[in-house]
Amino acid sequence: KQEVTQIPAALSVPEGENLVLNCSFTDSAIYNLQWFRQDPGKGLTSLLLIQSSQREQTSGRLNASLDKSSGRSTLYIAASQPGDSATYLCAVPKGAAGNKLTFGGGTRVLVKP
Amino acid sequence: GAVVSQHPSRVICKSGTSVKIECRSLDFQATTMFWYRQFPKQSLMLMATSNEGSKATYEQGVEKDKFLINHASLTLSTLTVTSAHPEDSSFYICSARDLADTDTQYFGPGTRLTVL
Repeated sequence: KQEVTQIPAALSVPEGENLVLNCSFTDSAIYNLQWFRQDPGKGLTSLLLIQSSQREQTSGRLNASLDKSSGRSTLYIAASQPGDSATYLCAVPKGAAGNKLTFGGGTRVLVKP
Repeated sequence: GAVVSQHPSRVICKSGTSVKIECRSLDFQATTMFWYRQFPKQSLMLMATSNEGSKATYEQGVEKDKFLINHASLTLSTLTVTSAHPEDSSFYICSARDLADTDTQYFGPGTRLTVL
């Protein structure tokens, strides 16, 4: 059974500092890994999706890396802003891509102005 | 990008009543939709997989008679919480898998259910 873990559970940084969020998964046979953002009381916003054949994906200030063999993914957010404050979730599909997702517990991020 | 809507966005009901939540794919067809539940400060947990034209598949520990799922068309799945109790209060989120691109699923904005 796939288990997804995110450490730390919460993170508080001053504005401008880089953020490093970690995600680990127990079964390395994944099709892809996805990072989401969730604001309080809201749904999910997809940030980045990394295919199993990729090592990293970048979008603006966001960069996500994937190391399947070690069962890890890291989301980097450069030059953090107060607007980056949210909960960040990683998830992997069960079986084929597009299947039901197993989510990590999330990391709650607070960027202080 | 593709849009998934949920209705209602927020509902408050009395204990013992039934509540229906709709999940619609607005600009694409979805033979498969997923229903997740999220308790406060916790992550999303899959409840069931909704399949158009057939019975839903429930995750272990989820009561199928309590959480009725109907996927009557390629753009609509409904989740009915029957005889709701306070412990059913949660944030319910659906996602829909694009029939034209089955590697991709899109999430709805969620429904906040509060049972008094």
